[in-house]
Amino acid sequence: GAGVSQSPSNKVTEKGKDVELRCDPISGHTALYWYRQSLGQGLEFLIYFQGNSAPDKSGLPSDRFSAERTGGSVSTLTIQRTQQEDSAVYLCASSPRVYTGELFFGEGSRLTVL
Amino acid sequence: GESVGLHLPTLSVQEGDNSIINCAYSNSASDYFIWYKQESGKGPQFIIDIRSNMDKRQGQRVTVLLNKTVKHLSLQIAATQPGDSAVYFCAEGGSQGGKLIFGQGTELSVKP
Repeated sequence: GAGVSQSPSNKVTEKGKDVELRCDPISGHTALYWYRQSLGQGLEFLIYFQGNSAPDKSGLPSDRFSAERTGGSVSTLTIQRTQQEDSAVYLCASSPRVYTGELFFGEGSRLTVL
Repeated sequence: GESVGLHLPTLSVQEGDNSIINCAYSNSASDYFIWYKQESGKGPQFIIDIRSNMDKRQGQRVTVLLNKTVKHLSLQIAATQPGDSAVYFCAEGGSQGGKLIFGQGTELSVKP
C-alpha cells in the first residue's frame, strides 16, 4: 500500500528557471492538496483539486504558479521564473473526499532557488 | 484574515509526564478541528480530529478538547514518550470550502 509520493525530493535551481513538482496521490483518493512550508513555519495552502477540477486556487502566490491534475490522479505544480522567495518545502496531500480533516501527506519536495 | 495560531512555540517535557499543547482559532464557523504531528524531514501525520459540536474526544494516549466559548483547542498527550518529539500543528476546516487552515506549530521536546 503506497502512500503519497512526491518527486523530486530535492531540487536546486537557479533564479529565473522553471520547475515542476510531481505528486502521486493514494489510489482512489478524490481530493488532492498542495501546501507550502517555509523553514520553521506552518503550512500555507496553495490549491486543492476535487477530481481534475480546482475549486480553490486562492493560495497560489502569483501567476508564476500553476497546477494541474490529470486522470483524477497525478498532479503537477509548476513554478515559472523561480525567485529566491519560492524556496520552501512543497507538500502534497490526498484524501478520499473533500471536507475531511484527515489528509495523507507525502514527504515533500524541497525547493532551493539560488 | 482568518487564522489559527498557537500560544507557545516550544514545549519541553520529561518522559512520562503529560503534555498539553494549546491552539487559539479565530473562525467560529469552522466545522472541524484537527491535530497533526510532523517529525523532522517528513510530512504531517494526522493524529485526531474533533467536530465543532463536540467538546472532547479521546484517542490512544491523546485527548483533544474544544472550547468554543473562548475559541481554544488543546491536545493532551498522556505519558509522553521520546517518540512524541515533533512539531504539532492545529488546523481547522469547513469554514472556507474544502481546504484546511494550519496554525504555526509547537515543537514538543521530550527529555529522557
